[in-house]
Amino acid sequence: QITLKESGPTLVKPTQTLRLTCTFSGFSLSTSGVGVGWIRQPPGKALEWLALIYWDDDKRSSPSLKSRLTITKDTSKNQVVLTMTNIDPVDTATYFCAHFNPLYGMDVWGQGTTVTVSS
Amino acid sequence: SYDLTQPPSVSVSPGQTASITCSGHNLGDKYVCWYQQRPGQSPVLVIYQDNKRPSGIPERFSGSNSGNTATLTISGTQAMDEADYYCQAWDSNTAVFGGGTKLTVL
Repeated sequence: QITLKESGPTLVKPTQTLRLTCTFSGFSLSTSGVGVGWIRQPPGKALEWLALIYWDDDKRSSPSLKSRLTITKDTSKNQVVLTMTNIDPVDTATYFCAHFNPLYGMDVWGQGTTVTVSS
Repeated sequence: SYDLTQPPSVSVSPGQTASITCSGHNLGDKYVCWYQQRPGQSPVLVIYQDNKRPSGIPERFSGSNSGNTATLTISGTQAMDEADYYCQAWDSNTAVFGGGTKLTVL
């Protein structure tokens, strides 16, 4: 059974750097084709894809946020970390991580973690 | 950037068929996924590769994709199907979500 859980600060001040961790089980990020992605959802708004890291360390990120995002993996710890710099109140959202399967897409999601950006 | 457009809301009576559209330039050339998100919950994949259902998703959920429009169809809609639905596709190795459609069953 695949599970993912997001963790990180619930409150961040503007201009700071946000670091979120996705800890997963039930699969290995060294398996060919597999990836872990990050998606966010501002309160009452739509889903927004942020980034994806693949088993071979290939990385993709949203063009609009590319300069602010870094995604890394620690295969031995079964973790993926998303870093977002220069945080702004518009970054207030629930952040989800999801398992990526080349056949199914983002097929299993974590419960999400809520981040509020405020001074 | 690539955009996917969904109607903000769709209403359906219980037992009837609900159709939710997702429009994008030459969307038929891409694979589309659909996600269901109930209030306060995480999204759940209900359709992948345009028309395939993951294990555990009821047969009443189906999908199609042609031209510039993908459609999620829910046959025999039940009260439990009331949720937000998002389409998603890949363009230039980046994922794009539609703006979401709130399905109301009344």
